[in-house]
Amino acid sequence: DTAVSQTPKYLVTQMGNDKSIKCEQNLGHDTMYWYKQDSKKFLKIMFSYNNKELIINETVPNRFSPKSPDKAHLNLHINSLELGDSAVYFCASSPAGGGSYNEQFFGPGTRLTVL
Amino acid sequence: AQTVTQSQPEMSVQEAETVTLSCTYDTSESDYYLFWYKQPPSRQMILVIRQEAYKQQNATENRFSVNFQKAAKSFSLKISDSQLGDAAMYFCAYRSAEDSNYQLIWGAGTKLIIKP
Repeated sequence: DTAVSQTPKYLVTQMGNDKSIKCEQNLGHDTMYWYKQDSKKFLKIMFSYNNKELIINETVPNRFSPKSPDKAHLNLHINSLELGDSAVYFCASSPAGGGSYNEQFFGPGTRLTVL
Repeated sequence: AQTVTQSQPEMSVQEAETVTLSCTYDTSESDYYLFWYKQPPSRQMILVIRQEAYKQQNATENRFSVNFQKAAKSFSLKISDSQLGDAAMYFCAYRSAEDSNYQLIWGAGTKLIIKP
């Protein structure tokens, strides 16, 4: 019954490693997002895909690369991890259309710790 | 560009009492949507309440209600009869009705502490 799922929920890794976070939604939504939440809880949009097409690409180091194999999945791959990448990463999805009822549904978040 | 400001980093309230969290926003648009999201210690982001700018009536969801003042660009959240489970970070968010990317603009959040 999980609407938006992310794996893993916790990720501890060494500096310089490459890691991926997976996201899947079973809501039939067309749009998916990746957010980064820092230690002060500030939420920052990173990427957004609509029907597998990149529509938002904020100023993010190019070590971060999203991939959407189909509209139900949006994965985030991070190369050469740095200490500053430590954060909670949220995946979200929303249906197409601009009405207020097209809210964003969030996954449980992935806490990434880079040592 | 639109901005959302939550001026209270932290608020505390006695259980069963009422608390109001403030949110102001800056926009030149007339058609938009406003949201309050809750993030409890479990980290899960949950939509609490939403408001369409074209509606004059304030939205309510059980113990949660908003005071939407369009001219003042203010969108405060009132929680009545506070419960321990209301303890969380609360985020105010704005979305333009004209943005085809449906991007949310987020406030910095307010941490709500409930005192038993």
